[in-house]
Amino acid sequence: AQSVTQPDIHITVSEGASLELRCNYSYGATPYLFWYVQSPGQGLQLLLKYFSGDTLVQGIKGFEAEFKRSQSSFNLRKPSVHWSDAAEYFCAVGAGNNNDMRFGAGTRLTVKP
Amino acid sequence: DGGITQSPKYLFRKEGQNVTLSCEQNLNHDAMYWYRQDPGQGLRLIYYSQIVNDFQKGDIAEGYSVSREKKESFPLTVTSAQKNPTAFYLCASMSRTGYEQYFGPGTRLTVT
Repeated sequence: AQSVTQPDIHITVSEGASLELRCNYSYGATPYLFWYVQSPGQGLQLLLKYFSGDTLVQGIKGFEAEFKRSQSSFNLRKPSVHWSDAAEYFCAVGAGNNNDMRFGAGTRLTVKP
Repeated sequence: DGGITQSPKYLFRKEGQNVTLSCEQNLNHDAMYWYRQDPGQGLRLIYYSQIVNDFQKGDIAEGYSVSREKKESFPLTVTSAQKNPTAFYLCASMSRTGYEQYFGPGTRLTVT
């Protein structure tokens, strides 16, 4: 079964600084990878997804992520963070069917003015 | 405006009472899911349903029950058998041809 590790529980960055959130997955076949964002007390919103093809994927709100098979990673990046990006971010891996999406424990992002 | 609605947003119950959380979607999605979210633990799957009148247990189904009588609706009942029911509950859905799940706004259940 697949699993996801987000090594960083909490990250603080200054507004305008670059951001990278780490995600490592474990899965035997080609994974379906996702990043979601959650504001406090809200549901999850899909930022971006990777199924196949170009390993650098663009998402909403200026985010991008790069799939690196050799490192089993799918790190999320943003070149310049805005105060509104403060939220919790979840990486998820799916098996391509409807049943089995696994989520990481999440990384909470704080943005300093 | 298509989406997933969950009601109510906040729910309070006394220990020993069953409580039902509502989830409705107008996305015409076949699959629906219930997750439980606790601080620092990510999302854990409670139940899922791929078609009407069929559903499967997830990782933490004990103390929960569901029904899927209509495509649009997937209510979750938290029974008195659930040892620690206080949590944030999220409903999600997915289309037959897609692989990403779409989430509702969640219901925070507090049991005292």
